[in-house]
Amino acid sequence: AQTVTQSQPEMSVQEAETVTLSCTYDTSESDYYLFWYKQPPSRQMILVIRQEAYKQQNATENRFSVNFQKAAKSFSLKISDSQLGDAAMYFCAYKPQRAAGNKLTFGGGTRVLVKP
Amino acid sequence: GAGVSQSPRYKVAKRGQDVALRCDPISGHVSLFWYQQALGQGPEFLTYFQNEAQLDKSGLPSDRFFAERPEGSVSTLKIQRTQQEDSAVYLCASSIAIEQFFGPGTRLTVL
Repeated sequence: AQTVTQSQPEMSVQEAETVTLSCTYDTSESDYYLFWYKQPPSRQMILVIRQEAYKQQNATENRFSVNFQKAAKSFSLKISDSQLGDAAMYFCAYKPQRAAGNKLTFGGGTRVLVKP
Repeated sequence: GAGVSQSPRYKVAKRGQDVALRCDPISGHVSLFWYQQALGQGPEFLTYFQNEAQLDKSGLPSDRFFAERPEGSVSTLKIQRTQQEDSAVYLCASSIAIEQFFGPGTRLTVL
């Protein structure tokens, strides 16, 4: 069974600084997707960034970028120039690429606090 | 266009009551998922529909949990004889491709 582990329950960052969130996963699949979702206090989960396992290039979306290390099964998220609106729970998630594997497997989450 | 909506947003039930949670997916989205999120934890998969067919219900914790999507659009998650351990946020998500779009969730509190 696939598992996703986020070892940092909470991270604090100063506004305009950079913070990196860790995620490791365990799978025997070779083709899969990895995601970072943001969940603000209102609870609606929003996709931040996505990475296809077959792509060697790390995904980037504006201030958000990932460091994907397939051999190490590591998928970290870097938030640059942190803003107050970045404060939220962040969840790492995994989804196999095979047709029958549609569900997301989530990690336990990391709470990000942004200090003004 | 409208996103995924869920109702009610909050539900308080006495132990032993039956509850029904509704999910309205994004129009045209074939896939629909239910997840359970306990306080302070990540969401956990409950069940998955492709159109009206329930293709995976491996995450349903007991036979008290039942989900349906009879016309391939709106879905209802029903919990019979609620227990305190059923207290959680129930998230619905819909998808047409890789990305899943989540609703705001229903917070269920069982007293």
